[in-house]
Amino acid sequence: QQQVKQSPQSLIVQKGGIPIINCAYENTAFDYFPWYQQFPGKGPALLIAIRPDVSEKKEGRFTISFNKSAKQFSLHIMDSQPGDSATYFCAASGNTDKLIFGTGTRLQVFP
Amino acid sequence: GAGVSQSPSNKVTEKGKDVELRCDPISGHTALYWYRQSLGQGLEFLIYFQGNSAPDKSGLPSDRFSAERTGGSVSTLTIQRTQQEDSAVYLCASSLQGLRGNQPQHFGDGTRLSIL
Repeated sequence: QQQVKQSPQSLIVQKGGIPIINCAYENTAFDYFPWYQQFPGKGPALLIAIRPDVSEKKEGRFTISFNKSAKQFSLHIMDSQPGDSATYFCAASGNTDKLIFGTGTRLQVFP
Repeated sequence: GAGVSQSPSNKVTEKGKDVELRCDPISGHTALYWYRQSLGQGLEFLIYFQGNSAPDKSGLPSDRFSAERTGGSVSTLTIQRTQQEDSAVYLCASSLQGLRGNQPQHFGDGTRLSIL
């Protein structure tokens, strides 16, 4: 019940495409859902986060869509660029300060 | 710099040796987390410190793993009698108040540990 399932494992798109990464959870106590971006050799960096009181949050080219009834949330990257090539992790947290991470999606954006 | 600093960045050691990994959190951050990232895997929670409260050690995989945080700042993760399955990147993160305070976690670049 503590797991966060992330898909796909890898994703290849062309520049300008809109990659979508999906995550699903079971624990209804989760109320904080961040996405992290990680470049090789670096630590993860917070990209965008959402709480369940809204169904969508947009920051620049990054959008989180949240479906509370389905217990699913997804990351959309608009007008993707080669510089967006990285590994993306979803995560969730409930009534504790611990983050439960998905297994990651390796995104490659080709010119 | 103002970010989370971890040292060493790389550590190679022989099976059976003890290792210490260090984390300097962002100044003023009361919450500190340790995670382990195995090759191609997600981040596995290890331990969490918040202020003067007892640490949450629920993620430590065995009694060979321990961590301490001195003076509410620097933290050291110690792995005793290292095994090959301990090879991974160990990541430290800090946050101003913890997630309950709506504060994000800021990660260091990790220590890549290789056990021969």
